[in-house]
Amino acid sequence: AQTVTQSQPEMSVQEAETVTLSCTYDTSESDYYLFWYKQPPSRQMILVIRQEAYKQQNATENRFSVNFQKAAKSFSLKISDSQLGDAAMYFCAYRSARTSGTYKYIFGTGTRLKVLA
Amino acid sequence: GAGVSQTPSNKVTEKGKYVELRCDPISGHTALYWYRQSLGQGPEFLIYFQGTGAADDSGLPNDRFFAVRPEGSVSTLKIQRTERGDSAVYLCASSSRPGLADLGGPDTQYFGPGTRLTVL
Repeated sequence: AQTVTQSQPEMSVQEAETVTLSCTYDTSESDYYLFWYKQPPSRQMILVIRQEAYKQQNATENRFSVNFQKAAKSFSLKISDSQLGDAAMYFCAYRSARTSGTYKYIFGTGTRLKVLA
Repeated sequence: GAGVSQTPSNKVTEKGKYVELRCDPISGHTALYWYRQSLGQGPEFLIYFQGTGAADDSGLPNDRFFAVRPEGSVSTLKIQRTERGDSAVYLCASSSRPGLADLGGPDTQYFGPGTRLTVL
């Protein structure tokens, strides 16, 4: 079974600085997808960025980028130029790339990000 | 609709009562997922619908939990004989292209704001 681990329960960053959130996962599959979701106090999960395992190039979305290390099974999120609106819970998620069966996400336990003014 | 909606936003009930939680997915999305998020945890999968049928219900914790999607759109999660341990936020998500694994990339699950269930 696949597992996702986020070892940082809480992180803080000064506004305009850069922060990296860690995520490791365990799987025996060779093809899969990885996601970072943001959950503000409103509870709505918002997709931040996603990565296809077959792609070597790290995904980037504006101030958000990932460091995907497939051999190490590591998928960290880097937030540059942090803004107050980035404060939220961040969840790492895994999904199998199999074309049949379930397409459920497997989530980590989350990292609470605080942005200091 | 513009996004996934869930009702009610909050539900307080007494132990032993029956509750229904509703999810209205994005229009046209064929896949619908239910997750449960306990305090301080990430969401945990409950059940997945493709159209009207439950394609995977392996996450339902026991037979007190049941979900339906009779017309392939709105879904209802039903919990019988609620227990205090059922207290959690119940999240619903929908997607348009489940299982698609081509160069178009993976389907993205769009989440609703959740229903916070409190069992007293």
